[in-house]
This record gives sequence, C-alpha cells and structure tokens, in this order.
Amino acid sequence: SQQGEEDPQALSIQEGENATMNCSYKTSINNLQWYRQNSGRGLVHLILIRSNEREKHSGRLRVTLDTSKKSSSLLITASRAADTASYFCATFSSNTGKLIFGQGTTLQVKP
Amino acid sequence: NAGVTQTPKFRVLKTGQSMTLLCAQDMNHEYMYWYRQDPGMGLRLIHYSVGEGTTAKGEVPDGYNVSRLKKQNFLLGLESAAPSQTSVYFCASSPLGRDQPQHFGDGTRLSIL
Repeated sequence: SQQGEEDPQALSIQEGENATMNCSYKTSINNLQWYRQNSGRGLVHLILIRSNEREKHSGRLRVTLDTSKKSSSLLITASRAADTASYFCATFSSNTGKLIFGQGTTLQVKP
Repeated sequence: NAGVTQTPKFRVLKTGQSMTLLCAQDMNHEYMYWYRQDPGMGLRLIHYSVGEGTTAKGEVPDGYNVSRLKKQNFLLGLESAAPSQTSVYFCASSPLGRDQPQHFGDGTRLSIL
C-alpha cells in the first residue's frame, strides 16, 4: 500500500503567493524527505525532517511534521515561476528499511 | 562535478530485445539505486546496491538484473523487454544508508514496442 500520499495532486497559484502541499503516511517513520522534480529532469532533494523534529526551514521552504497525525506539510513562501515543478514526499522506516515515495503534487506558478 | 549520469537518455526497443542502462556517479557514494517512474505510481525501487559487488532486490525486480562491478557504476539490464517495462528509469545514489538523501540522474526514457 502507498506509504506517502500527497495532497493536492495539482496546485496552481500566482507568483508571489504561498504554496502548501501535504503528505500523509500510514506507518511509523524515522524520517520524511521532500524532493522536487522539474519537467524532464531527475528528483532533487530539498529537505529531510526526522521523526523527533516538528519543523524545519531552508530558505523559502518550511516543512512541518506531525507524527501523531502521520502527516507533513511543505510550504513554499513567495513563490516564483521557477518553483513550477512536481514535489514528492518520501518516508523512511527502519522497520521495513524502505524509502517510499508518494505520487507527488504538481505545482504551477503563473508569472 | 557531474553527480549522477545516466546513459542513454532515450531508447526505443522492440519486444524481446535486450539492453543495458548505465549509471555512473562521481561522488564516491556507497549506495546506488534503480527506480522506475510511471504516471500515477510514483517512484518504485527495482534493485539497489549497498556497495561494490553487492546487489539486492527492491519492490519490482522481476524482468530486471543489475550489476555493480565498480563502485561508481550500476548497470540495469533488461534481458527480454516487454511493453510493461515502458517507463522512465532513474538511477540514484546516497553516501550511506537508504534513509539518507538521494542524488538522482536525469533519467532514461524507454519505450518498448
């Protein structure tokens, strides 16, 4: 069964607005990672948050993790056209030894 | 600094043909991975390697074989291609452990007719 599931599947916003994407998962995890994929390219790692962390920042990115709700969110502030991409969450569990990717959220930022 | 390089970038095969996809990394990473990406399915792990000379099965290994004769290279083979193997294949590497951030190549787009 799918471990990480993103919501929404697609998101379209205007440049300068904030974008929020959510990821839900089913079993206990050790860490959760967010990746970006530009069209026709490979995935690029953005940020990793451990199960004992609640919030992490990197530039315009803010990631939160709520292990009680088994969910995470990725916030991109002051979005730019260059942020247009698909965003994936991936969860790692030491119980299974697996890193499982979700199906992604496609973000379009209109100039 | 090239990172992870995949060759070829595109390939069209006929059913039953064989081919090898090459992945090379210049970051001295121990772990390497092969994924396939299909619409609506996310990334699924085919095989992975925890070091030179080692390989292990992932979630969807059937129809594929791999080899890691040198630390920097990870080869993915299709012995007898099937239309169900039409996909985009990604190679990735990480310094240590599957829990660590992975570095991806730009993919090989493979069509099986």
